Amino acid sequence: NAGVMQNPRHLVRRRGQEARLRCSPMKGHSHVYWYRQLPEEGLKFMVYLQKENIIDESGMPKERFSAEFPKEGPSILRIQQVVRGDSAAYFCASSPQTYNEQFFGPGTRLTVL
Amino acid sequence: QQQVKQSPQSLIVQKGGISIINCAYENTAFDYFPWYQQFPGKGPALLIAIRPDVSEKKEGRFTISFNKSAKQFSLHIMDSQPGDSATYFCAASGNNNDMRFGAGTRLTVKP
Repeated sequence: NAGVMQNPRHLVRRRGQEARLRCSPMKGHSHVYWYRQLPEEGLKFMVYLQKENIIDESGMPKERFSAEFPKEGPSILRIQQVVRGDSAAYFCASSPQTYNEQFFGPGTRLTVL
Repeated sequence: QQQVKQSPQSLIVQKGGISIINCAYENTAFDYFPWYQQFPGKGPALLIAIRPDVSEKKEGRFTISFNKSAKQFSLHIMDSQPGDSATYFCAASGNNNDMRFGAGTRLTVKP
């Protein structure tokens, strides 16, 4: 049973480019969460999605950031016109439908030059 | 706002000692309290979790103590080992899966 998968593991973008981060939840998990972690800091909640629905996006910046979890395929976190302050590790987690346990992926480390 | 407060920020313990990390929460709707362990360059891994119907849960060397009235819970690592050196995060969530994390504790176990 494969765990949560994220790709790419490392992503380098220049200021103004777009970053697309992908997350495939564990088999049987229909809830996906995205978190951002700055160096030496904790995990900051960004968004919580179920298939085709955004449940809670209270942690998402109002501009440039968006997320989706389509009926088919991975969840995507999209950052448009990246700035240096977007450099961080972005983690995806998934959980089964009826439990609270969240299982994390290995993360995508975004570097904005 | 910070809904889960974690302390200390860093902790140094001798091998064989007891590591204790504390967390406090604000939202009384929280009913699930996990601890995660994170090694450098890796994602957080679920270590142990507790629900408020019990005051303590033990798994091997790891124990969670939970005080519902004080809205506090703690992680105890008995017989701490150098391999336990990592960052530990407490978290809390409610029925809508809105998990909120503490700021983390960097544990160093000296041989």
